[in-house]
Amino acid sequence: LAKTTQPISMDSYEGQEVNITCSHNNIATNDYITWYQQFPSQGPRFIIQGYKTKVTNEVASLFIPADRKSSTLSLPRVSLSDTAVYYCLVGDMDSNYQLIWGAGTKLIIKP
Amino acid sequence: GAVVSQHPSRVICKSGTSVKIECRSLDFQATTMFWYRQFPKKSLMLMATSNEGSKATYEQGVEKDKFLINHASLTLSTLTVTSAHPEDSSFYICSAREGGRGSYEQYFGPGTRLTVT
Repeated sequence: LAKTTQPISMDSYEGQEVNITCSHNNIATNDYITWYQQFPSQGPRFIIQGYKTKVTNEVASLFIPADRKSSTLSLPRVSLSDTAVYYCLVGDMDSNYQLIWGAGTKLIIKP
Repeated sequence: GAVVSQHPSRVICKSGTSVKIECRSLDFQATTMFWYRQFPKKSLMLMATSNEGSKATYEQGVEKDKFLINHASLTLSTLTVTSAHPEDSSFYICSAREGGRGSYEQYFGPGTRLTVT
């Protein structure tokens, strides 16, 4: 059973900032939050990972509130090539870190 | 960066035959590898977790005698689909995790498209 809930789909336009929110009400103390991107017929690609507050890398930002029951992936100035499925996962770094995959969010970027 | 390869990328086989899929970590040692399958427009489903040198742990509902997993070295894991049937047609993806505490990021392979005719 997936431990996360995300919107099934989202649309946006080139150049816009896109925020995808994920709910994980039952997140455990040892759980990290990880976001992956997947294009059709390809393996998932790591985007960003965090535990609390804000994490930023060259492609995205991840905002995590103090209660950690949700997280928001922020993609700045999206392009058509950002059209993909985005998965939010939580996992325990102290275990084998098995990832339970939810349905993901299909993001469609329009010109 | 860490790279995981899979071979073959696509395979078509006849019903009743066996197919082997390889998963390799190219520039790191993977103490743990995971095998997933994914149906069209669906999410990834974890099939099994394998640790180098030990037997794989299969998820509930996954037949271990049908999906044979071998993780004989720190850079190679194989998934063999035995006596394949059309319902085994799917996209199979492996991921690898580097050893050591704190190494919790999984690196995914490009996937293998299996079609059983």
